[in-house]
Order: sequence, then C-alpha cells, then structure tokens
Amino acid sequence: GAVVSQHPSWVICKSGTSVKIECRSLDFQATTMFWYRQFPKQSLMLMATSNEGSKATYEQGVEKDKFLINHASLTLSTLTVTSAHPEDSSFYICSATDITYEQYFGPGTRLTVT
Amino acid sequence: GENVEQHPSTLSVQEGDSAVIKCTYSDSASNYFPWYKQELGKRPQLIIDIRSNVGEKKDQRIAVTLNKTAKHFSLHITETQPEDSAVYFCAARPLQGAQKLVFGQGTRLTINP
Repeated sequence: GAVVSQHPSWVICKSGTSVKIECRSLDFQATTMFWYRQFPKQSLMLMATSNEGSKATYEQGVEKDKFLINHASLTLSTLTVTSAHPEDSSFYICSATDITYEQYFGPGTRLTVT
Repeated sequence: GENVEQHPSTLSVQEGDSAVIKCTYSDSASNYFPWYKQELGKRPQLIIDIRSNVGEKKDQRIAVTLNKTAKHFSLHITETQPEDSAVYFCAARPLQGAQKLVFGQGTRLTINP
C-alpha cells in the first residue's frame, strides 16, 4: 500500500525559532499533499493544500507567512513553522493523494514550543 | 463551504454489542465519505469509505450507510472488540476544493470488556 513518512516524529524548539517538517510519499507520486493540525482531543483541521510546483492554498485563518509550505517535488512537501510560539504546539499531520484521490496520512509530528 | 457534524462525541458500549456513529454534511455536491480510526498519537487509518453513488457498503464487522437526500451517513460496528476502542472520524470530500477532506469532530469509542 501507499506509504507516507514524516520527519521528525517529534521536535522541541524554543519560542521564536523556526521548525521544518518534511512529508514524503515513499512509493507513489503525490499529486496533492495536505497539511493538518490536530490539538489534543480535537479533530484534524486542514491548514493548507499544496500541489507540486505551485503555491499552496491556505485555509481561512491560517497565516501563510507563519506556516510556509514548499512542495518541491511529487514526493516531498515541507512545512516550516516560523517564529514558533507555545500556542503553535500541536500534532502536525500531512497526507498525500495519488491518482485515485485516496488520502494517505503520515505518522504525524509532535511539535512542542517552549 | 462544507461542514460536517459528528455525533456522539463519546460512546461506550459493552464488548460484543454494536456501535453506531452518525455524521451529517452540508454540501450536497460532496461525493466521497471516508471513515478513519485514530489511536492515541498515531495517524488516522482509513477503515471504510463510500461514494455518493452507493447507499451501503460492508466490510466484515464494519458497515457504512449513506442517505444523500438527508445528507447523512453512519458507521456501524458489530460484535465490538476491545481493539475497536479508538477515536473515529468521518469526513466528506466536496466536489470543489482539490480533493480536500472536511472532518467531523470525532467520536471516542470505548469498548468495555
């Protein structure tokens, strides 16, 4: 089956620093990748949709200058949380779709900002 | 845009009994409705899905029904087992929106032995 990986699986950073999270589709080419944020005991909230080679489409209320998304290839998308603050601490999950449009989720990255 | 409401938020059933989780959606053009199971700290796992041209789908102990007229769909788990304990999310995929999914709020299912 389709496999999506994320790196790192967890990260702790100091307030004001930036953190980059990678999302890779390991055995298929992802036409589209999605980034979600999930706070404890809450649902997955879509942050943005990215297509290879084009600018990401951000959901309403998501700051595009704070959450930088780069979709450089059909197998890699990155999310950079810039100038992170404690309120950015969350579980970040990516997903990727193939030509069937089924979404395959990555294992998630737990970000803690101190 | 699409809005998905999921109920109940928590559900506790005895092992061996059935569990039903319900979702409603707002966009009549949505055409794909997956259900995901998420264990603590893990990724969501697709357990079953249904497309808008089908009314019911079953996979062993799990079934999903879709009522397009009423814009609601339900997950049915029969003969529940302790390993069914998890958080379940429904989702809907609007026709417009680059294949994105809109998720319900989630249901925490607990199976009591």
